[in-house]
Amino acid sequence: DAGVTQSPTHLIKTRGQQVTLRCSPKSGHDTVSWYQQALGQGPQFIFQYYEEEERQRGNFPDRFSGHQFPNYSSELNVNALLLGDSALYLCASSAQGAWEQYFGPGTRLTVT
Amino acid sequence: KQEVTQIPAALSVPEGENLVLNCSFTDSAIYNLQWFRQDPGKGLTSLLLIQSSQREQTSGRLNASLDKSSGRSTLYIAASQPGDSATYLCAVRPGGATNKLIFGTGTLLAVQP
Repeated sequence: DAGVTQSPTHLIKTRGQQVTLRCSPKSGHDTVSWYQQALGQGPQFIFQYYEEEERQRGNFPDRFSGHQFPNYSSELNVNALLLGDSALYLCASSAQGAWEQYFGPGTRLTVT
Repeated sequence: KQEVTQIPAALSVPEGENLVLNCSFTDSAIYNLQWFRQDPGKGLTSLLLIQSSQREQTSGRLNASLDKSSGRSTLYIAASQPGDSATYLCAVRPGGATNKLIFGTGTLLAVQP
């Protein structure tokens, strides 16, 4: 079992650009959540996908959008990047109705 | 609005010491509380999950307690080792129809050999 995987590991973008981050959930999991972790802070919930639909959303602007595919993998898209979007982006997966979430290694995004 | 606070923000101890990390939350209506470990620049590793109906959970040298009514949890690490050096995060799953986690800002632990 590979666990939760994310790609790419690191990414450098320029202000105003768009970025797509990818996540494959742990085998048997059907729910994917995305979190943003700024340096020195705890992760902040962005949104959660289940059955290819956004089910919950945190306090993030519409520049942050996502998608879930039939195989349960997910993408996080961020448009019009700002310097403040620089962070570690974490993906977590779980089985619907289960308590525990399993986190991937994260994607480090740097916006210059 | 649920807020999670962790004290202390940083802690340095000599190897072999027993230590306690603290987590407090403002709304006692939670489903569960989870403790995570995060190594620098890495993802989160789940250590212990305590359901709201439980008082404590143990795994090896780790013991986590939960006092929901007072909005507090502690993570006890026995006989600390240099390999325990990491950031420790607590997170609560709020009550209601939500599966999101609300995190504290973490405690950075350094265990000196």
